[in-house]
Amino acid sequence: GENVEQHPSTLSVQEGDSAVIKCTYSDSASNYFPWYKQELGKRPQLIIDIRSNVGEKKDQRIAVTLNKTAKHFSLHITETQPEDSAVYFCAGDLNDYKLSFGAGTTVTVRA
Amino acid sequence: DAGITQSPRHKVTETGTPVTLRCHQTENHRYMYWYRQDPGHGLRLIHYSYGVKDTDKGEVSDGYSVSRSKTEDFLLTLESATSSQTSVYFCAISSGNLYNEQFFGPGTRLTVL
Repeated sequence: GENVEQHPSTLSVQEGDSAVIKCTYSDSASNYFPWYKQELGKRPQLIIDIRSNVGEKKDQRIAVTLNKTAKHFSLHITETQPEDSAVYFCAGDLNDYKLSFGAGTTVTVRA
Repeated sequence: DAGITQSPRHKVTETGTPVTLRCHQTENHRYMYWYRQDPGHGLRLIHYSYGVKDTDKGEVSDGYSVSRSKTEDFLLTLESATSSQTSVYFCAISSGNLYNEQFFGPGTRLTVL
């Protein structure tokens, strides 16, 4: 099955700087990679996803890149703001409509 | 938020007692999932359902059972709760389209004493 590894586990950035979270996966058949944001005490929320037929996708200040050859994908947050402080999870799809999640990255944006 | 609710939202129980958590959706989605979330482990799949009465195990299914008698409801049962099952439990749903976009419920915090 899929094994998704996520780094770093914690990330502290100055407000206005960029944050990058990287994930690697093992199953070359995976073709869907979502990212979730979870604020303290809340449910995980889907913020962006990328599919294997594209290499990059942007939505305002967030972007995801995918390198299928190297089997890694990344989340980029530019111009970070205090409301970006949260735990971020990457995931990769498995057979039978399942997802395998990374362990999460706690992002703290310092004012 | 997608139409997903979970009940109860918080529960404290004692070791050895049975516990049932309920997930209810109003989206008519085919797929439903139960995850547990623990520090350092992310979200781990317990069981999932791909239709009424159709369920399968996830990576951490020991000690848990599920049932789905209606499209909108997916029940998770801890037959005899243990302290290791203290966790936050999330239900998720997916329409089963080409790509597996999953949407999560608000979660249930379960404490087993």
